[in-house]
Amino acid sequence: QKEVEQNSGPLSVPEGAIASLNCTYSDRGSQSFFWYRQYSGKSPELIMSIYSNGDKEDGRFTAQLNKASQYVSLLIRDSQPSDSATYLCAVNNRANFGNEKLTFGTGTRLTIIP
Amino acid sequence: DVKVTQSSRYLVKRTGEKVFLECVQDMDHENMFWYRQDPGLGLRLIYFSYDVKMKEKGDIPEGYSVSREKKERFSLILESASTNQTSMYLCASSSPPRAVDLRIGELFFGEGSRLTVL
Repeated sequence: QKEVEQNSGPLSVPEGAIASLNCTYSDRGSQSFFWYRQYSGKSPELIMSIYSNGDKEDGRFTAQLNKASQYVSLLIRDSQPSDSATYLCAVNNRANFGNEKLTFGTGTRLTIIP
Repeated sequence: DVKVTQSSRYLVKRTGEKVFLECVQDMDHENMFWYRQDPGLGLRLIYFSYDVKMKEKGDIPEGYSVSREKKERFSLILESASTNQTSMYLCASSSPPRAVDLRIGELFFGEGSRLTVL
């Protein structure tokens, strides 16, 4: 079992709709959770971080964390064509807490259809 | 703005050649990382460093070495390049977690170096 799992996609969502991206992780000791966005041919950039159970909102983005289910998700409201990218889920576990030795999922490719 | 600069965007090397990939960051970050990214495998950590002259193995260190002689510079070395090292290599840097709540600092990535080994 992979440590961090994501559906590879592609996930196609109409413009203006909600895009929902999901990630599961295997290490129950995981403490910190991140979503990175990577445009084609570019390097990843951080868009959300979440550390506690529940929702965290930042503009059109909402990260959701459920540690009991070992599940983290990213919702993108009012999807725009500029949101078309690969979204990487990254997790830091208890053993590594205090450093940034992140474990990344393989990413979900999102396409927003105009 | 944080800037992480990788010396070469595209390289083509032959099997057995020694390859140097250079990375420089300008934000005085203590932590630096080398990842490789391959389709279907995602980002995998090769080596990382928390201080000058310090290095630690990541998940896939075989066939690689690193050097950190100065705080701002972290080099990845392929002693004898092989075709299975054809990949996109990404350097990243970050500052240590905040003392207040130990939250992880953001990773800042360079633009990547696409290496092809023939």
